[in-house]
Amino acid sequence: AQKITQTQPGMFVQEKEAVTLDCTYDTSDQSYGLFWYKQPSSGEMIFLIYQGSYDEQNATEGRYSLNFQKARKSANLVISASQLGDSAMYFCAMRNTDKLIFGTGTRLQVFP
Amino acid sequence: DADVTQTPRNRITKTGKRIMLECSQTKGHDRMYWYRQDPGLGLRLIYYSFDVKDINKGEISDGYSVSRQAQAKFSLSLESAIPNQTALYFCATAPAGDYGYTFGSGTRLTVV
Repeated sequence: AQKITQTQPGMFVQEKEAVTLDCTYDTSDQSYGLFWYKQPSSGEMIFLIYQGSYDEQNATEGRYSLNFQKARKSANLVISASQLGDSAMYFCAMRNTDKLIFGTGTRLQVFP
Repeated sequence: DADVTQTPRNRITKTGKRIMLECSQTKGHDRMYWYRQDPGLGLRLIYYSFDVKDINKGEISDGYSVSRQAQAKFSLSLESAIPNQTALYFCATAPAGDYGYTFGSGTRLTVV
């Protein structure tokens, strides 16, 4: 069965530090995609980063990078130089036959 | 105007009432989805549609129905609302075979 697991319900990080949010996935498909979304307190879903299963290099978007370890089936999000505005819920998701399957999320709190 | 518009943004309704949540898009995407978000559970798929004549049940379709009135419109109905359907509902769209999912701003539904 396709599944996304996020084992960290909450994380704290000090401003300007880096933080890693964990995500593991389970699929028997060879072709899939992995996503990270941010959900601030206002509720909207903001796309952060995407990694295709055949992409050999880790995806990066500004301060966000995705640490993709295919053999371990992990797709951790790394946020460098955290900012107060990074405080939000973060969801990992996997595309399975054109549907997105989501993890349960990690609430990140950035403190000064 | 937003690419994916959900109406209403907030709604309080009584148990047993019928309610419709509407989603319209200007992206020209074939695929449309309805998700439900509950605290601690992430987003779960209710229904999805790959074109106007294609409707599929998702993980948690019981108690819900949908209508794809046109390529751009996908409505979610609760025939007889119950309190445990209180949640944040998202509509999303995507082009076929691509990873460019677009989410609406969400509808916060409370059933009392």
